[in-house]
Amino acid sequence: GESVGLHLPTLSVQEGDNSIINCAYSNSASDYFIWYKQESGKGPQFIIDIRSNMDKRQGQRVTVLLNKTVKHLSLQIAATQPGDSAVYFCAEKGGNKLVFGAGTILRVKS
Amino acid sequence: DSGVTQTPKHLITATGQRVTLRCSPRSGDLSVYWYQQSLDQGLQFLIQYYNGEERAKGNILERFSAQQFPDLHSELNLSSLELGDSALYFCASNTEGGPNTEAFFGQGTRLTVV
Repeated sequence: GESVGLHLPTLSVQEGDNSIINCAYSNSASDYFIWYKQESGKGPQFIIDIRSNMDKRQGQRVTVLLNKTVKHLSLQIAATQPGDSAVYFCAEKGGNKLVFGAGTILRVKS
Repeated sequence: DSGVTQTPKHLITATGQRVTLRCSPRSGDLSVYWYQQSLDQGLQFLIQYYNGEERAKGNILERFSAQQFPDLHSELNLSSLELGDSALYFCASNTEGGPNTEAFFGQGTRLTVV
């Protein structure tokens, strides 16, 4: 029979444009957040992290924004490239474990 | 390359069988985390070990168990396998006693139960 899978949101962007991937987290007490990128057939790869005492953190071509008031996290990728195509997961530290969101598929059109 | 090594990469086995998945953490990392990734459940935390001791437990079935050895490698044992256990199993490691810093993931073991 037909298998039922997670229906992940998909973001399609043109190469060179900026991408914004959003994530809502559940635990207002979470103090640490991470963005991971997962390419097909590979394990999740660390992109950037942020602690709850910060609102914004920048890396190379990536910026993470944290809005604790509305429990929202976003990942901004500047000048998106074909190699950025992947599934992106946000994760929050909940107790002594990382709790992952469902993920967002990023498709980059050349 | 994350530095975390998982073996085997692929495993096909029959229902009712038992398998062992192996993980070697990054050099110097004391914590090992196991995750299951299936199509309908996403990435689910199973269990964490820190320096040989169980530190945190997630949605791990009683048919599953894990351990971390003195050389810090870890094994995840899955028994009485069911079709629904088919998934990708990932191991991650970091230096901390908990997920307070980034954890680095291995390439995973794809388990298929037939």
